[in-house]
Order: sequence, then structure tokens, then C-alpha cells
Amino acid sequence: AQTVTQSQPEMSVQEAETVTLSCTYDTSESDYYLFWYKQPPSRQMILVIRQEAYKQQNATENRFSVNFQKAAKSFSLKISDSQLGDAAMYFCAYRSADNDMRFGAGTRLTVKP
Amino acid sequence: KAGVTQTPRYLIKTRGQQVTLSCSPISGHRSVSWYQQTPGQGLQFLFEYFSETQRNKGNFPGRFSGRQFSNSRSEMNVSTLELGDSALYLCASSLSGRLDTQYFGPGTRLTVL
Repeated sequence: AQTVTQSQPEMSVQEAETVTLSCTYDTSESDYYLFWYKQPPSRQMILVIRQEAYKQQNATENRFSVNFQKAAKSFSLKISDSQLGDAAMYFCAYRSADNDMRFGAGTRLTVKP
Repeated sequence: KAGVTQTPRYLIKTRGQQVTLSCSPISGHRSVSWYQQTPGQGLQFLFEYFSETQRNKGNFPGRFSGRQFSNSRSEMNVSTLELGDSALYLCASSLSGRLDTQYFGPGTRLTVL
């Protein structure tokens, strides 16, 4: 079974600085998607970024980018120029071709002014 | 486009009762998935519906059931509520459910007393 591991329960970053959240996953499949979702105190899960496994190029969405290492099964999220509004729980997620969706335990990000 | 909507947003029930939660997906989305989120277990997949058929099911007891209507709206039902069913129930929709992106609703907070 696929598992998703986020080894950092909590992270802290100074406003305007850069932070990287880690995620590793275990799978024997070759075709899958990876996601980072953000869950602020409002509890609404918001898609941050998506990476298709067949794409070698790392996905980027404005201040958010990923470092996708398929062989190492690693999928980290880099947040540049951190803002107070980035404070939230961040979940790494894996979606397989047969619709299996797994989430990591989450990383709570605090942004200090 | 309107996002995923869930009703009600908050619900308080007592042990032994049953509850029905509703989810309206994004227009055009045919796949609806349900998740349970608790502090102890994190995000756990309940089931997924596509074209009125349950396509995938997580590891939950039979007290948890769901259905999908022809307009893709979905309901989930929990019978004989237990204290441990207290959780945030999240609904997510996607176009087809096959290696595509899920968009989440705001959730229904269920408290069982």
C-alpha cells in the first residue's frame, strides 16, 4: 500500500524568508500525481501545487515550487518570500491511477512577523 | 464557477443517532470523495462515487454509507453514531477521478455527545 510521510510535524519561518517542507512516499506504481494542500484555520483544504509523476520538470506556482525526486520518492515544497497568510497545516498527498488517495500527517507552518 | 459546497457546516448529535451530510460538487465534476479528519488519525479516505456508483471504499465499518445522485450531488450517512465519529468530514470533487485534481469543500464538523 502506498504511504505518505511528512517527517516535520512543525516548521517555523520568518516573514519574507524561504522554507522547505519535506514529504516522502512509498509506491510501486509509475503513474501517479502528487499534491500539496494547505489547510488554514478555516479548515478549508486548498490546493497549493500539483506534480504529475511522468513530468520531470518541477512544478511551480508563483512563490511555491516543488523538488520532485522520483527515484528517491521525495516531494518537497519550497515557499519563497513567506507571508503571514502562508501559516497553515500543509498536507502532502499521493493519488494513484486507481484513485487511491493518501495524505501525510501534515506539517504545521508558523510564519513569524 | 462555484466551489464544492457542504451542508450543514456544523452538526451536534448524540450517541446512537444517525446523520446525513450533503455535498454538491463543482459543476461538471462527476467524482465525489469523502474523507474523515480527526486529530488522532489524520485524513482518512471513506469512499468515492462516480456516476452514481461507489468506485472505491476505505476501511470504515458498514455504519458509514453514501450515495450519489444523477446530478453528481452526494450524501453520506452514518448510522448508530459513536463518540469516535466526532470529526471534520470533507468532501472533494474532481472531473473524472482518474489521476486528476480533487477540490475540497469547507467540511462538516460533526460532534457526537
